[in-house]
Amino acid sequence: SQKIEQNSEALNIQEGKTATLTCNYTNYSPAYLQWYRQDPGRGPVFLLLIRENEKEKRKERLKVTFDTTLKQSLFHITASQPADSATYLCAPLSASKIIFGSGTRLSIRP
Amino acid sequence: EAQVTQNPRYLITVTGKKLTVTCSQNMNHEYMSWYRQDPGLGLRQIYYSMNVEVTDKGDVPEGYKVSRKEKRNFPLILESPSPNQTSLYFCASSLYREGNSPLHFGNGTRLTVT
Repeated sequence: SQKIEQNSEALNIQEGKTATLTCNYTNYSPAYLQWYRQDPGRGPVFLLLIRENEKEKRKERLKVTFDTTLKQSLFHITASQPADSATYLCAPLSASKIIFGSGTRLSIRP
Repeated sequence: EAQVTQNPRYLITVTGKKLTVTCSQNMNHEYMSWYRQDPGLGLRQIYYSMNVEVTDKGDVPEGYKVSRKEKRNFPLILESPSPNQTSLYFCASSLYREGNSPLHFGNGTRLTVT
C-alpha cells in the first residue's frame, strides 16, 4: 500500500540554523508533492508545490527538493526563526489521490 | 477574504445523536473534501466532491454522509455518532482536484462523542 514517512516526530533547531525535514514515500509515483504548515488547533496552510520534473523549488527562506529516484523530498528552512515553529506536512499527489504524511513538529529555540 | 468556514469549532455529543458539521467556501472552488486527523495517523480523507451533486468515498467513509447541493457548501453528517468518531475534522477546498491545485483548509471542528 502507499506509504509516507516523515522524519522523526519532532525536530529541535537553534534559531538561525537551517532546518531540514524529510519526506519519504513508497509504492507509488506522485506527479506532484505539496508541503503544508500546521499550527496547533488550526488547519494546514499550503506552502509550496513541486512537480516531478522539477529538482528544486524556492520561496523566500523555503526550499523544497524532489528526488523521484530516491522517492524523497527534502524541505529546508534557512535562517530559521521561532515563528517557524509548527508541524510541517508533506503530501505527495497522484492524479487520483492526495495522501498526507503525519507531519514533523519543528521547534526553533531562541 | 478567501476562506473555508467550518462550524462549530467544538462539539460534544452523545452516542447515537445525529449531528451535522457545516462547511462553506467563498472561492468558487469545484473540489471539496473532508478529513479527520488523529494523533499518529495524519490526515485521512473521509469523502470528497468533484462538483455539485458529485460525491465519492475517501479512505475512511464508514459512519459518515455528505451532500453537495450547492457549490459553496459541503456538510458532513454523522447519522449515529460513536466514540471512535471522536477526532479533529477539517474541511478543505481547491479549484480543481488535480495535484497542482493547493488545498485551502478550514480551522477544524473538534468532535467528542461520549
